[in-house]
Amino acid sequence: DQQVKQNSPSLSVQEGRISILNCDYTNSMFDYFLWYKKYPAEGPTFLISISSIKDKNEDGRFTVFLNKSAKHLSLHIVPSQPGDSAVYFCAASERNTPLVFGKGTRLSVIA
Amino acid sequence: NAGVTQTPKFQVLKTGQSMTLQCAQDMNHNSMYWYRQDPGMGLRLIYYSASEGTTDKGEVPNGYNVSRLNKREFSLRLESAAPSQTSVYFCASSEAGSTLGWPQHFGDGTRLSIL
Repeated sequence: DQQVKQNSPSLSVQEGRISILNCDYTNSMFDYFLWYKKYPAEGPTFLISISSIKDKNEDGRFTVFLNKSAKHLSLHIVPSQPGDSAVYFCAASERNTPLVFGKGTRLSVIA
Repeated sequence: NAGVTQTPKFQVLKTGQSMTLQCAQDMNHNSMYWYRQDPGMGLRLIYYSASEGTTDKGEVPNGYNVSRLNKREFSLRLESAAPSQTSVYFCASSEAGSTLGWPQHFGDGTRLSIL
């Protein structure tokens, strides 16, 4: 059973608009959440993280929101740029266990 | 600063052949991981090593073995390759003290095809 779910396989957004990528999880013991970005033929790169004691973390154009009661997190990219086109993976872990990854969402930012 | 280096980048094997994928990191990280990525399946953990001298199974360990050779190197071995093991393999490392969820740094992958 999938513990981390990214229900949208793909998303298209116009350049300059907001991109919102969503992630749901089932394990209430998860206490650390991350987003990774992956370009073709490269390894995933860490983008932003949030711990369960927070509900928002911001880094430049990227903001991650965590709603623990709904077991939901989202990544907002504002404004979206063509270079943001990639596959985005949500990941989560509980203390002393490895990360669990979602299946990814392919973001296309259209100029 | 190379980060995480995987060799080879590409490999084609015949069913039943054996092979070792190599991974080395130069960030003095404690923990290392091996994942496979298949279309529509995301990243699945094969094995990990929380610290030098320890290894543990992940989600999909069958058909694989690992060796944490030293703090820098973590290898993945396929003893008898099967077509189902055709995939892109990623090695990763993280500082991780008591929390294995620390950001992981990934290599660029090994694309393995088994005929």
